[in-house]
Amino acid sequence: DTAVSQTPKYLVTQMGNDKSIKCEQNLGHDTMYWYKQDSKKFLKIMFSYNNKELIINETVPNRFSPKSPDKAHLNLHINSLELGDSAVYFCASSQRGAGYEQYFGPGTRLTVT
Amino acid sequence: DQQVKQNSPSLSVQEGRISILNCDYTNSMFDYFLWYKKYPAEGPTFLISISSIKDKNEDGRFTVFLNKSAKHLSLHIVPSQPGDSAVYFCAASAIYDYKLSFGAGTTVTVRA
Repeated sequence: DTAVSQTPKYLVTQMGNDKSIKCEQNLGHDTMYWYKQDSKKFLKIMFSYNNKELIINETVPNRFSPKSPDKAHLNLHINSLELGDSAVYFCASSQRGAGYEQYFGPGTRLTVT
Repeated sequence: DQQVKQNSPSLSVQEGRISILNCDYTNSMFDYFLWYKKYPAEGPTFLISISSIKDKNEDGRFTVFLNKSAKHLSLHIVPSQPGDSAVYFCAASAIYDYKLSFGAGTTVTVRA
């Protein structure tokens, strides 16, 4: 029974397209996150939602828009995809914020051609 | 600006011996530290954590040590097993913050 799931696992698309990545957690957590792991393997926070409210919005292009329909879901929509968006995107959740472990999904490898 | 640094990109250790992974941080507001383990094509999985009010936390074969004055923490794995071969990430957060700041990771290879 997967705790944090993401779909799709792989996504290959062309520049200029719009795509979405879905994330769901069944842990009953209040807070969800999106991280990006770039080609240098750094994991960087993009967004965080707490109880459906946006609480972290790092310096991410506004082509990226998170949507949280409820506490258990946090989707990531990307408009006008660019080559530099190619990366692995991880969703995560935690019971609250600081001081609590975050649980990660399996990742979505996005390739923009 | 990397606030969490893992200066050793890789570590090779013989099965049964100790693995020591190091992590340094620059932000003095960090007060909670975590280690994650990651296998290829999977998400990071939580391994062990430590609060800044402690200097040591142990969980089975895994022990994390924190030296606040040096802004340094380390993860000890004893004894190392083949299944420990993975990438290990150090992460930190501040009490006022929701996000984790990650290091670049250390790839551990346990040799039989």
